[in-house]
Amino acid sequence: SQTIHQWPATLVQPVGSPLSLECTVEGTSNPNLYWYRQAAGRGLQLLFYSVGIGQISSEVPQNLSASRPQDRQFILSSKKLLLSDSGFYLCAWSVEDRKTQYFGPGTRLLVL
Amino acid sequence: AQRVTQPEKLLSVFKGAPVELKCNYSYSGSPELFWYVQYSRQRLQLLLRHISRESIKGFTADLNKGETSFHLKKPFAQEEDSAMYYCAAGGTSYGKLTFGQGTILTVHP
Repeated sequence: SQTIHQWPATLVQPVGSPLSLECTVEGTSNPNLYWYRQAAGRGLQLLFYSVGIGQISSEVPQNLSASRPQDRQFILSSKKLLLSDSGFYLCAWSVEDRKTQYFGPGTRLLVL
Repeated sequence: AQRVTQPEKLLSVFKGAPVELKCNYSYSGSPELFWYVQYSRQRLQLLLRHISRESIKGFTADLNKGETSFHLKKPFAQEEDSAMYYCAAGGTSYGKLTFGQGTILTVHP
């Protein structure tokens, strides 16, 4: 069966520090991968999606970037964190031609 | 632009009462519609999708194309239904979904 992992679960970082959040999927090949931010009162905001290795599309201009170095690995990064980057980050996957997305447990990021 | 609107941020009902969580969408073409649920300390998970025409945990959702709505309903709410509910719509572009802002449902004993 398919599973999705995210780490770390919680992260506290100072302003200006770098960020790397990792997401991996098991049990499926060539999934579509997504990064979302879940903020209170603002719902789920799609940040990036990827349909294959090295293919990244950004939905919202921001201080973050994403990479997909392997088929089932999706990384969210920042060179210098801002206070506004605080939030709950969710990774999700779906199979091509089917739109149901399956979510990871999330990473709670607090930038101080 | 695609948009999904959930007009109620908070919804409170008593156990055994009917509950309806509203969802309206603005989407080009014929999107697929979903309801996702997030229980306390659990990950976001699919509750139901309109093409399946199924009832999950007593919940149903009817797609009304004329009103562009996809409201979630349950005739008798249970305490374990307390959670955050998200409505989502997806088109044909890479499986992307547009989510509403979510409704926190609280079912009181």
